[in-house]
Amino acid sequence: QQQVKQSPQSLIVQKGGISIINCAYENTAFDYFPWYQQFPGKGPALLIAIRPDVSEKKEGRFTISFNKSAKQFSLHIMDSQPGDSATYFCAASSDGNKLVFGAGTILRVKS
Amino acid sequence: SAVISQKPSRDICQRGTSLTIQCQVDSQVTMMFWYRQQPGQSLTLIATANQGSEATYESGFVIDKFPISRPNLTFSTLTVSNMSPEDSSIYLCSVAPRTGPSYEQYFGPGTRLTVT
Repeated sequence: QQQVKQSPQSLIVQKGGISIINCAYENTAFDYFPWYQQFPGKGPALLIAIRPDVSEKKEGRFTISFNKSAKQFSLHIMDSQPGDSATYFCAASSDGNKLVFGAGTILRVKS
Repeated sequence: SAVISQKPSRDICQRGTSLTIQCQVDSQVTMMFWYRQQPGQSLTLIATANQGSEATYESGFVIDKFPISRPNLTFSTLTVSNMSPEDSSIYLCSVAPRTGPSYEQYFGPGTRLTVT
């Protein structure tokens, strides 16, 4: 049973545009929601994370929006750049340890 | 964040053999984990490497197939035993540092394993 559903599977955005990736979860015990960025041949890098006590968190061009009642959260990449082209994974955790990952989104930013 | 290294970075192995992957961290960490990422897929937790005790395995993963050691707070190994082509994956270790938010996990560069 997939506990974190991620969409879209792939995304093409023009340079300067906004990239939006969505995730939905089922387990209401989840209380930590990170996003990871992975380039080919590299390990995932922690990008930004949020706890359910806030509805939005912004770090530079990256913003997480969180909707607790809908059990959804999303990553927004503002002013998307070709260097942002990577695979993005959402994840969730309920005990501070085990991370459950979404299926991943391949983002391509066209210059 | 911690600096994490893995050895080997990649390997090609024959079926039926075993490979031990090392994970080294530059500072003491509370938690260490091992994940598997099959080609083009997401990450799946194999086990939590516990310092001084047996690893905690997730459903679908067993100690005989994936024995894990963690002799101290900066080092762990994962062995992939009696390999088959289905074991071809990227194996990643991750750590939760002792300082800072305990929920944050950082990943190593991964070990790309191909079984022929």
